[in-house]
Amino acid sequence: AQSVTQLDSQVPVFEEAPVELRCNYSSSVSVYLFWYVQYPNQGLQLLLKYLSGSTLVESINGFEAEFNKSQTSFHLRKPSVHISDTAEYFCAVSTERGADGLTFGKGTHLIIQP
Amino acid sequence: NAGVMQNPRHLVRRRGQEARLRCSPMKGHSHVYWYRQLPEEGLKFMVYLQKENIIDESGMPKERFSAEFPKEGPSILRIQQVVRGDSAAYFCASSGGFREQYFGPGTRLTVT
Repeated sequence: AQSVTQLDSQVPVFEEAPVELRCNYSSSVSVYLFWYVQYPNQGLQLLLKYLSGSTLVESINGFEAEFNKSQTSFHLRKPSVHISDTAEYFCAVSTERGADGLTFGKGTHLIIQP
Repeated sequence: NAGVMQNPRHLVRRRGQEARLRCSPMKGHSHVYWYRQLPEEGLKFMVYLQKENIIDESGMPKERFSAEFPKEGPSILRIQQVVRGDSAAYFCASSGGFREQYFGPGTRLTVT
């Protein structure tokens, strides 16, 4: 079985500052990794994914994440945050078995301070 | 709207009543997943279905909960004899058989 740990339940950051949201996973088989974002009272939106190939993946709104197999991590970063980035961020993993259920971390609430 | 549809968005039930939550997957998707989000917890996988088949229900409570995805129509998550502990947000996701899943807006169930 796999598991996901998001060490920080809340991360307060000033606007235009850089941010890193940490995600570590545990699995005995190869994994696929995802970051989802949830705005208040909404569903989850897929932010970015690692399936194979380049270990650095980027989203269209400036976020990026790097798959580090040796450290079993998939941390999310953004060099300069905006007020609109305030949301809950979830890291998730699925296994090489394919189209099975995602295992989620407990989420990190990103709070942008003006 | 080509996204995942869920209805109702909000559902209030008294203890002991039944709750029916509906999910229409994205066009062209035949894989449906249900998740539950409890306060202060992350999302927990409940069940994975394809048309007319339950593929994995390892996350479903053994009693009172059932799910179906008929040949025609939406997927249904059914909770019988609801209790206060069932109050949560229930999310449906769909995929086309590939890795990424796309989520609906959720149904927020309140049991009074």
